[in-house]
Amino acid sequence: EDQVTQSPEALRLQEGESSSLNCSYTVSGLRGLFWYRQDPGKGPEFLFTLYSAGEEKEKERLKATLTKKESFLHITAPKPEDSATYLCAPCDGANNLFFGTGTRLTVIP
Amino acid sequence: GAGVSQTPSNKVTEKGKYVELRCDPISGHTALYWYRQSLGQGPEFLIYFQGTGAADDSGLPNDRFFAVRPEGSVSTLKIQRTERGDSAVYLCASSANREGLFFGPGTRLTVL
Repeated sequence: EDQVTQSPEALRLQEGESSSLNCSYTVSGLRGLFWYRQDPGKGPEFLFTLYSAGEEKEKERLKATLTKKESFLHITAPKPEDSATYLCAPCDGANNLFFGTGTRLTVIP
Repeated sequence: GAGVSQTPSNKVTEKGKYVELRCDPISGHTALYWYRQSLGQGPEFLIYFQGTGAADDSGLPNDRFFAVRPEGSVSTLKIQRTERGDSAVYLCASSANREGLFFGPGTRLTVL
């Protein structure tokens, strides 16, 4: 059965305190893994797609990495505006995206 | 350019009523998706269109839910005989390819 687990559920960081969010997955025929950011009351905002183990992508203070069982979203020197819920979504062989429940990040000034 | 738009932004209805939720995808995007998101959960897949046809409707929870995309652009999600458990945010997303799905702001449906 396809499963996605994100940890931690919630994370509070001081501004400038780097950390990582984890996405563990079991998906048949992985075709890619998506990361999204979601602010309260808004739809998810696309961040990255990773296609193969070992791949990395960066955008400003965010870097996403992928292994065969996990993906990490590294946040370097976060700012308060990085506060949001971060969702990962592996895509299976049938082109279905399976979203995790997300990590709610709060960055304190 | 304009992103995905959804109307209405909020819909309150009574149990047993019929509702329609509309999605305008990004122009030129051939793929369109509907998801449902409950509080504290990630989006849950409902249905996927490629052009005018439903390529995958395996996520629709039961036959009260139906979606159409008659001209390959705008889509309407239709829910018959609404139940309180249908209350959620309904998200629409579109894509030109599998590089990324771009989501709209969602329609918050409340069934009283």
